Order: sequence, then structure tokens, then C-alpha cells
Amino acid sequence: DAGVIQSPRHEVTEMGQEVTLRCKPISGHNSLFWYRQTMMRGLELLIYFNNNVPIDDSGMPEDRFSAKMPNASFSTLKIQPSEPRDSAVYFCASTSLVTLERGFPTDTQYFGPGTRLTVL
Amino acid sequence: GENVEQHPSTLSVQEGDSAVIKCTYSDSASNYFPWYKQELGKGPQLIIDIRSNVGEKKDQRIAVTLNKTAKHFSLHITETQPEDSAVYFCASISKAAGNKLTFGGGTRVLVKP
Repeated sequence: DAGVIQSPRHEVTEMGQEVTLRCKPISGHNSLFWYRQTMMRGLELLIYFNNNVPIDDSGMPEDRFSAKMPNASFSTLKIQPSEPRDSAVYFCASTSLVTLERGFPTDTQYFGPGTRLTVL
Repeated sequence: GENVEQHPSTLSVQEGDSAVIKCTYSDSASNYFPWYKQELGKGPQLIIDIRSNVGEKKDQRIAVTLNKTAKHFSLHITETQPEDSAVYFCASISKAAGNKLTFGGGTRVLVKP
């Protein structure tokens, strides 16, 4: 398996522009997570989906951020309009939701390589 | 919600020595504790995990211990090598939170040859 695939790997844009980050989870996984990583705040969960349905978006910082998962093999994270403080590395992760058997997760989250976003 | 504290934030060791990273968690319902290693320019990768019904788990030079009473868990790396240099994250999952991971702040480990 190719693992979690993210594109682009690097994105440089100007303030006010729309940015779309893309993720393809591991085939067969039905739970997908979007994280943001910065030096100041570490790894933050933005939103996650189970079976393509958003479950928890409490980590989405503002209405400028939106995420979709139109099917089991594709998700997008959009920032519109972008601001310099959005500069960070954005990770997508996926896992199997055959989880919580006997109370324990049965699989871990597998992370993609990340998209480094720079907003000038 | 769950809160995970990780210490130290940086750790420098001589090659061949041991490295220990400690984490505490707040939610007594947390029952799964993975450790991730993140190398420069890459996403975090799982290196070892432990469930709450186990006190210790070992995989070659890496071991993890869990103290449920004290709500803390630790990562031990023995015979460190330069390729162990990376940022390490502890995390926890609470059954009540579904499959949402809560991460510690990370430890930057430098192994000096």
C-alpha cells in the first residue's frame, strides 16, 4: 500500500488566496483525520471523519477553514481566505474504524507526509 | 477533555546511552497509548503502543511502561543510535472520545555520536 497520500507537499500562497489541501487515505480505512502542526501549538486535531461523515470539527480554528470528504478515498481541507498565521504543516491521517473491540482501538492512525503551507 | 503532558521537551544523549521520555494523562478512561516518532520532513510514525490492561511492552531496543494508578506512561530507548534522533510524541485515546488521539507536546531527542 502507498500509505496516506497528501498533495501538494509544499504550498506557498499570498494572504487572501484560497488554499486547498488534498488527502487520499489508505485503502480500506474509514476514519480520516486532519491535523495542523506548528512550533508554538504542536499537533492539533482540526477535524475527523468516520465513514465520510464529519464527527468532530471542534478543532477547526475559524469559519475560514472547511473540510469535506465526498467519498471514502478523498478528502480536502480548504482555507479561504488564507492568512499568514495559517502557515503550518498540515497532516492527514487515516485508520480503520474496526475499533473499540473489547474497549481498545484495533488499529493506529497512519499519517501522511504532510503539506507545508506558507502564507505570505 | 483529555490532557497529555510530556517531558522533557528536549533530550540530548550520548550514543549507546539510554533515553527516557515521560508522559502523564488526565482522563482515567484513557485505555490506549501509542508513541510516534517524527523525523524531519515526515509525518509521525507509530513505533510502539500499549493498552491499559498491560503494564509493560518491549520491542527490541524500545520499551513502554504504563502506571494506570499514577496515570503516567514512559518510553525507554536503550543503546541509542544516531538514527534515533527525532521528535517523539506520546498520545492517548479515551474510549469516551472514540478514536480521537490526544498528543503530548513532543520531545526532541538528539543522539550524539
